[in-house]
Amino acid sequence: QSVLTQPPSASGTPGQRVTISCSGSSSNIGSNFVYWYQQLPGTAPKLLIYRNNQRPSGVPDRFSGSKSGTSASLAISGLRSEDEADYYCAAWDDSLSVVVFGGGTKLTVL
Amino acid sequence: QLQLQESGPGLVKPSETLSLTCTVSGGSISSSTYYWGWIRQPPGKALEWIGSIYYSGSTYYNPSLKSRVTISLDTSKNQFSLKLTSVTAADTAVYYCARPYSNSHPRFDPWGQGTLVTVSS
Repeated sequence: QSVLTQPPSASGTPGQRVTISCSGSSSNIGSNFVYWYQQLPGTAPKLLIYRNNQRPSGVPDRFSGSKSGTSASLAISGLRSEDEADYYCAAWDDSLSVVVFGGGTKLTVL
Repeated sequence: QLQLQESGPGLVKPSETLSLTCTVSGGSISSSTYYWGWIRQPPGKALEWIGSIYYSGSTYYNPSLKSRVTISLDTSKNQFSLKLTSVTAADTAVYYCARPYSNSHPRFDPWGQGTLVTVSS
């Protein structure tokens, strides 16, 4: 049972916009930045979004992050087949003094 | 460009110690403000933070693993390492090394490719 809650799966068709949610609490998302990672099959995770909504250089602007209260979301617009991957949210938890990850969301491009 | 590479045994017996090394290239692990960390992922499961170390040697561990984990630096080899004692099958996972922005900012970038460690007799 992960501290951050994500839906186990999401799907969309090419060109669509999909969102993936990440729900936490006041001790993690509510008081700290949220980070998002993309993990393509058989590869290491890759930083996708940092500090709630910032994109590292090289990450397409099709990917965007947002945060409100104790929840965060990752939005992917103009969905492409290469976006099919597992997506994880992460944050620091002040109460547990630990980095917490979500359980991951498997995105399928239909 | 900073690159990280994990190395170590792929098979460890139950109750023994898991030891992994992360070799850093394209930058110095003793550069000020840098942190270095370990994350693991059991097969088919989510990511789990193991801990981080600051360039000064200060360490930060996941409380659930703290009694069994040691992370250390070897500046002469530009490496940092992970030791996990008294392993069980539950410690079977892909182990990743990565550079976090800080111990409380899980901005891990870049990552190593990961190495699978299986705990089995």
